[in-house]
Amino acid sequence: AQKITQTQPGMFVQEKEAVTLDCTYDTSDPSYGLFWYKQPSSGEMIFLIYQGSYDQQNATEGRYSLNFQKARKSANLVISASQLGDSAMYFCAMREGLRGYQKVTFGIGTKLQVIP
Amino acid sequence: DGGITQSPKYLFRKEGQNVTLSCEQNLNHDAMYWYRQDPGQGLRLIYYSQIVNDFQKGDIAEGYSVSREKKESFPLTVTSAQKNPTAFYLCASSTTATYEQYFGPGTRLTVT
Repeated sequence: AQKITQTQPGMFVQEKEAVTLDCTYDTSDPSYGLFWYKQPSSGEMIFLIYQGSYDQQNATEGRYSLNFQKARKSANLVISASQLGDSAMYFCAMREGLRGYQKVTFGIGTKLQVIP
Repeated sequence: DGGITQSPKYLFRKEGQNVTLSCEQNLNHDAMYWYRQDPGQGLRLIYYSQIVNDFQKGDIAEGYSVSREKKESFPLTVTSAQKNPTAFYLCASSTTATYEQYFGPGTRLTVT
């Protein structure tokens, strides 16, 4: 089974609107964490947000928030007030295991295009 | 400024040649990683190292080798045994206190 599933190959959003990028995960490890990374066309991977499996509240970082639904095993990224610079690939990733051993598995990504 | 550098950004090699990709970090991170990215794919782990002089195979280590002689450096050698070496290679590092990995700008390797 896929550990990280991103079912939206591409998404469009109007500038200034909010958008949700979907991510579901599969693990039997009680200690895990979910990440979202942004990859612009330049290729670098930019860390956006992190949610630990024991965190009680959804993570937020500026315009980014992570909608964590543990029972559904989903960790969707919400981008509010989209900007043209948000156009990029977005990857969901999962960490499993204890601190110091960080096996991270990435999804195949979602390409977001922001329309003026 | 602290960060991760990878050089060169673009690399071209003939089939049958070994090639070494550089990765240096000045973040004082203990752990370092090499990933491979193919078009339309996510990242796949090649090798990782948690401390100097120690490294472990990732999911797709065949045809690759690494060394970790210094904390700051984690070079990756793509050997002639790697059947499909053309790809985008990303190096990353992390601490053992936090979970996020910091990435370098990547090296795009083309083998013909």
